[in-house]
This record gives sequence, structure tokens and C-alpha cells, in this order.
Amino acid sequence: GAVVSQHPSRVICKSGTSVKIECRSLDFQATTMFWYRQFPKQSLMLMATSNEGSKATYEQGVEKDKFLINHASLTLSTLTVTSAHPEDSSFYICSASGEDYGYTFGSGTRLTVV
Amino acid sequence: AQSVTQLGSHVSVSEGALVLLRCNYSSSVPPYLFWYVQYPNQGLQLLLKYTSAATLVKGINGFEAEFKKSETSFHLTKPSAHMSDAAEYFCAVSEGNQGGKLIFGQGTELSVKP
Repeated sequence: GAVVSQHPSRVICKSGTSVKIECRSLDFQATTMFWYRQFPKQSLMLMATSNEGSKATYEQGVEKDKFLINHASLTLSTLTVTSAHPEDSSFYICSASGEDYGYTFGSGTRLTVV
Repeated sequence: AQSVTQLGSHVSVSEGALVLLRCNYSSSVPPYLFWYVQYPNQGLQLLLKYTSAATLVKGINGFEAEFKKSETSFHLTKPSAHMSDAAEYFCAVSEGNQGGKLIFGQGTELSVKP
């Protein structure tokens, strides 16, 4: 079946540094990638939608200069949290949508900014 | 615009008892509906999906859901709960056709008592 590999699973970084999270679709072409943020005991909040080769579409209230999304190929999308601060600490999850496989989620990245 | 409401943020059942997790949706177009399960610090796993075919959808791990247009509902059921079913469950609706962004409900935490 469809698999999306998300790395790292857990990262701790210092305030002011940047962190990159990768999502790879291993056995299908992901025409669209979605990036979500999830706070403890809460639902998933969509941050942005990206299509391969295009600029990402950000949801209202999400700072596009802070959360940089790149979808340069049909199998790879990255989310970079720039100048991270403690309030950016969260669980980030990607989801890939391809022609045949619906939505497949990565395993998530726990970001802690200290 | 689509939306999803999950009734009950927490449901507790005894092992072997019926599991019923409620989901109501709002959509101006025929919806695609999904149920996902999330274990702690993990991504989402698809349990089942409705894509305008049979209204009774069977999923993995003995779960099923029935699409009722008249009630705008898509409740998730399982005849007999197992301890391993304890997790967070999310109902979601796809905006537009399949491949559009997913709108998630608030989630329901299922506890299973021995």
C-alpha cells in the first residue's frame, strides 16, 4: 500500500534556529501534499497545501514566511520552520494525495523548541 | 463550506461492548467522508472511507460506518471493542472531490475498560 515516510520523528532545537521536516511518498507520486499541525488533545489544523512545482497555498493565519513549504518533486515535500520559538512546539503531520491512493499520512514530527 | 462535528470528545466502553462514535457533516456537495485512527505520537491511519458508492462501508479492524444523507451522519461502529481499539478517532470530510483538502472533526478519544 501507499507509504509516506516523515523525518525526523522527533526534534529538539534552540530558539531562533530553523528546522526542516521531510515527507517522502515511497511508492506513489504525490501530486498534492498537505501539512498539518496538531496541539495536544486537539484535532489537526491544516497549515498549507502544496502541489508539485507550485507555490504552496497557506491557510488563513499561517505565516508563510515562517513555515516554508517546498514541493520540488512528486515524491518529496519539506516544511521548514524558520526562526523557531517555543510557541512553534507542536506535532506536525504531512499527508500526501496521489491519483490512486487518496490520502496517506506520515507518522508525524514532534518539534520541541527550547 | 464543509464541516464535521464529532459528538463526544471522550467515549468509554467495556471490552466486548459495542463501539459507537458519532460524526455529523455539513457539505454543499456530495461529500467524501473518512474515519481515521491515531495512536499516541503517531500519524493517522485510515479506517474506512465513503466515496459515493455503498452507504455501508466496511473498514479495517472490524469497523464500519453508514452514510445517512437524510441525517447528514457517518457514525463509526464496531460490534465488540478490544483493548487495542483505545485511541483517538477522527472523522473528516473532503472538500470538493477526492484529493481536495480534508476537514477534520475535533476527535473522539476512545477508552476501553477491561
